[in-house]
Amino acid sequence: QVQLKESGPGLVQPSETLSLTCTVSGFSLTSYSVSWVRQPSGKGPEWMGRMWYDGDTAYNSALKSRLSISRDTSKNQVFLKMNSLQTDDTGTYYCTGIHTMGITADWGQGVMVTVSS
Amino acid sequence: DTVLTQSPALAVSPGERVTISCRASESVSTLMHWYQQKPGQQPKLLIYLASNLESGVPARFSGSGSGTDFTLTIDPVEADDTATYYCQQSWNDPTFGAGTKLELK
Repeated sequence: QVQLKESGPGLVQPSETLSLTCTVSGFSLTSYSVSWVRQPSGKGPEWMGRMWYDGDTAYNSALKSRLSISRDTSKNQVFLKMNSLQTDDTGTYYCTGIHTMGITADWGQGVMVTVSS
Repeated sequence: DTVLTQSPALAVSPGERVTISCRASESVSTLMHWYQQKPGQQPKLLIYLASNLESGVPARFSGSGSGTDFTLTIDPVEADDTATYYCQQSWNDPTFGAGTKLELK
């Protein structure tokens, strides 16, 4: 059974860079695609971007200029970096597993990120 | 981006039947999925590809629709179903609806 666990700082200063790690167990990243999804409090989720099993990436066009997703297959980890953070980037950030046809079947527990000085 | 529109809230009594709707701004074929989220928890997949029940999800949940109009039905509703329900399309870059909050009377 696949498990995903997010880690990273809970507090980020405005204009700084957010760095998050998703550690995947139970499935190799060379055969499993991972997306990052964020959710402001009280609002619907927002897809941020995806690391495909073959190493290719895709990004939400609204975030593309600030966002980078990478991976380390030897550690089975996927990384998110997003720069120029503002207060409206505050929310819970989830690492999710993507099954066939884009089904977001697996979710990590999420990490709460607050952007504040 | 494909915009998904859901009604904001519903209140029903236990034992009743409830339908939650999701309308897409363009056709997404049957690439529509439904999630349940309880406070403080991550979303949980209920229905995938419009009408397929995820393993382990009670048969009280069902989904239907294609193109632009989709429905999640819970019949009968139980107290534990109090949650927010989201639709999500995967026809193109994924988008989610704003959610329908289900409350029990």
